[in-house]
Amino acid sequence: DQQVKQNSPSLSVQEGRISILNCDYTNSMFDYFLWYKKYPAEGPTFLISISSIKDKNEDGRFTVFLNKSAKHLSLHIVPSQPGDSAVYFCAASRTGGGNKLTFGTGTQLKVEL
Amino acid sequence: ETGVTQTPRHLVMGMTNKKSLKCEQHLGHNAMYWYKQSAKKPLELMFVYSLEERVENNSVPSRFSPECPNSSHLFLHLHTLQPEDSALYLCASSPLPSAAGYTFGSGTRLTVV
Repeated sequence: DQQVKQNSPSLSVQEGRISILNCDYTNSMFDYFLWYKKYPAEGPTFLISISSIKDKNEDGRFTVFLNKSAKHLSLHIVPSQPGDSAVYFCAASRTGGGNKLTFGTGTQLKVEL
Repeated sequence: ETGVTQTPRHLVMGMTNKKSLKCEQHLGHNAMYWYKQSAKKPLELMFVYSLEERVENNSVPSRFSPECPNSSHLFLHLHTLQPEDSALYLCASSPLPSAAGYTFGSGTRLTVV
């Protein structure tokens, strides 16, 4: 049973436009959500996170939105740059769940010139 | 360099071989993890070590055997693997109790022939 789902395996966006990556979760106990970015031949690197007490967190060009009632979060990148081309993983954890992160399958973002 | 170093980067082994993957971190973290990434699947948590004690074994077959001799080193001993075990094996570490501070290594790309 996949508790974190990224239903779009790939996304293509033009440089300068907005990229929106989506993530859905099924476990209502999750209270902390993260986005990781992964380039080929490298491990995932932390990008941005959000606690369930918030509905938005912004860091430069990256904004994460959380809709708890819909169990949905999204990552917005604006403006998108060619260097943003990577696989983006959504992850979730819950208080009392140890330090475990549950990951989605990832979305391959390609930013085209 | 992310602070978590994994060796080797690539490994090809036969089904009767015995090999070990190594992970090293000098970030002062107290928790270490092994994840498996197969194509089109989410990152799957295999093992969690917290303060050098194994706190989670996620139904991983016994042909995978972890070892954590100290808080800076983590090994994954492999023996009699199957071709379906071919995957990217990622090590991560984090400070306790935060799940937010995961730092991943670059991974070992394992091919079982």
